[in-house]
Amino acid sequence: DSGVTQTPKHLITATGQRVTLRCSPRSGDLSVYWYQQSLDQGLQFLIHYYNGEERAKGNILERFSAQQFPDLHSELNLSSLELGDSALYFCASSSRVDTQYFGPGTRLTVL
Amino acid sequence: ELKVEQNPLFLSMQEGKNYTIYCNYSTTSDRLYWYRQDPGKSLESLFVLLSNGAVKQEGRLMASLDTKARLSTLHITAAVHDLSATYFCAVASGGGADGLTFGKGTHLIIQP
Repeated sequence: DSGVTQTPKHLITATGQRVTLRCSPRSGDLSVYWYQQSLDQGLQFLIHYYNGEERAKGNILERFSAQQFPDLHSELNLSSLELGDSALYFCASSSRVDTQYFGPGTRLTVL
Repeated sequence: ELKVEQNPLFLSMQEGKNYTIYCNYSTTSDRLYWYRQDPGKSLESLFVLLSNGAVKQEGRLMASLDTKARLSTLHITAAVHDLSATYFCAVASGGGADGLTFGKGTHLIIQP
C-alpha cells in the first residue's frame, strides 16, 4: 500500500458524459501527478500540481482538467468522453525527495 | 522531446537464470526510476537512480545508471516465478516538475 488513495476504483459511463476522478496523496506530500495508462499509448503524464498550483502539463487533452484543493487532494475532470478515453488513470504523489508513489488507479470504461 | 526505450519488450525465461533489461533515454535527465506492475495493479517503486554510476540492489534485482551513455540496466539474478511482472523504466526531466516519461515496459514471464 503506497498511501495514495483513489476513488472510484471503476467507472463505467457513456460517450459524451463527464466524470471526476479523485486522488488523496500520501500524508505530507505536496505534489500530485496524474497519468493515463492505455494499451496503445502506454503510460503518459497528464498534469502535475504542487501545493495547489499547476506546475506542468503533459499530454493532457483540452477536454480534461484538474485541480488541487487546500487539503491537497486532487480531482481530474474528464468531459465530452470518447471511446478512446477508456484507460487506467493513476495519480502519484511525492515529496521533495523524488520517488513518486502511485495510487491503485481508476479504471474508466466509456461505452 | 524525451524518449525512453526499453528492450526487450517481452521476455520469457526459466527460473534460476540471469537476465538484463535495458533502458535507453534520449536526453539528459536528473533521475531514472524502475517500477514494477502486476496485471491490473498499480506501479510499485523499485529503484531511484540519481547519479552517474549509481547502483542499487534489492534481493535478486540490481539496477545501474550510466548517464554518459544514457543507459540504465535492471539485472535479474537467479530468477524466481514471483518476479514475473511488467517492469517499467521512467525518466524525470524539468527538475521533476514535468512528470515521468515511461518506456513501454518489459513483460517478464518466469517459468518454473
